[in-house]
Order: sequence, then C-alpha cells, then structure tokens
Amino acid sequence: KAGVTQTPRYLIKTRGQQVTLSCSPISGHRSVSWYQQTPGQGLQFLFEYFSETQRNKGNFPGRFSGRQFSNSRSEMNVSTLELGDSALYLCASSLVVHSSSPLHFGNGTRLTVT
Amino acid sequence: AQKITQTQPGMFVQEKEAVTLDCTYDTSDPSYGLFWYKQPSSGEMIFLIYQGSYDQQNATEGRYSLNFQKARKSANLVISASQLGDSAMYFCAMRVPGANSKLTFGKGITLSVRP
Repeated sequence: KAGVTQTPRYLIKTRGQQVTLSCSPISGHRSVSWYQQTPGQGLQFLFEYFSETQRNKGNFPGRFSGRQFSNSRSEMNVSTLELGDSALYLCASSLVVHSSSPLHFGNGTRLTVT
Repeated sequence: AQKITQTQPGMFVQEKEAVTLDCTYDTSDPSYGLFWYKQPSSGEMIFLIYQGSYDQQNATEGRYSLNFQKARKSANLVISASQLGDSAMYFCAMRVPGANSKLTFGKGITLSVRP
C-alpha cells in the first residue's frame, strides 16, 4: 500500500510570494492533517480535514489556508510568504478522526523562504 | 489543554542494548490516545506504537514497548536490542476526543546508537 505522498520535496521561494503544497493520503484514508515543524517551535498543528470539511484549525494567521478534494487529496497554501515560514511541512492521513487512530505522515515538503 | 513533556537531552545507547525514552503528559480528559513517532534525518515521521488510556496492558510492537503508568501520567518508550538504524528523533504525542482535537507533540528526544 502506498504511503502518504507530498509534493514537492523541496521549495525555495522569495518573501511575498505564495506557495501551494500537495498531499495525497493513503488509499482509503479520509482524514488529512497538516503540521509545520521548525527547530524553535517544534511540531505545530495547522489544520485537519475530513471528507472535504475543515474540522479543526491551529493558531496560524489567515495567510495559511488549505482544502481537501473529493478524492481526499489535500493542498495547503501560504500567501505573502515571510522568512519565518521556512519550515518542514508535514502532511498526515488517517482512516478516521479518532483519538485511537494514528496519523501516518509523508516525507514532508521543506520550504525555504529567502 | 493537553501537554506532552519530553525533557531528556540527547540520549546515547550502545548497539544491542535497551533504552528508555521518557514522556509525561497532562490532560483532564479521561479518554485519550498516546503515540510514539520516530523521525530519521530524512524527515519522515514514522508511527511506532499506540496506547489507549483505557488499555489494561502495555502496548508492544516488535522491539518497541510502551511503559504506561497512568497514575504518574507517563508513557515511556522502551526500545530493546538497539540497532544503528534506531538513531533518530523520537516524539511522544497525545490526542483526546472531541471536535477540536488534534495530535499534540512533545519537543522530541534525539537518540544516538553507538556501534
């Protein structure tokens, strides 16, 4: 069974630009979550989607947005990039949204903002 | 609010020996799930083991076991027979049920396995 696929693996952008990251979940998984990982802040929750609906959102500015499509694939968009947005962005999928359902992560997209 | 605490500095273990990685958690919710993840230098987060708050027995998955002490709110990961490939960051995480639930991570522990 294929794992979670994130594209691209690496991105270099300039301040002020926008970026879109893509995530394909494990087949059959209907929940997708996004996390930002930085050395200083660790892993921070961005959002979670289930069946195309955003279920939960972390404490990030409105420049960070996401969506989920009918095939469960998800995209995350960051507009007006800032230097502080440089991070590893991890996508994860799970069968259901439940406290017992583990998240399965992709390899991440490493975003560098210059 | 939920909180995960991992305070150990970098850990070192000799190959083939066992190692325990500490994790304490805090929540007022009686129902929760505890997870451990491994993150090698490549960046991928690999799910290792799960323990439910109502589980009577400690979880085990191959060389991984979870030492769950509910009264002390601790969920330590034990890796037996360490291998060089176990060198990585290890994260403890927790999730409670509810509309606003999310997986909350600790800061992580770096484990280095020496040959």
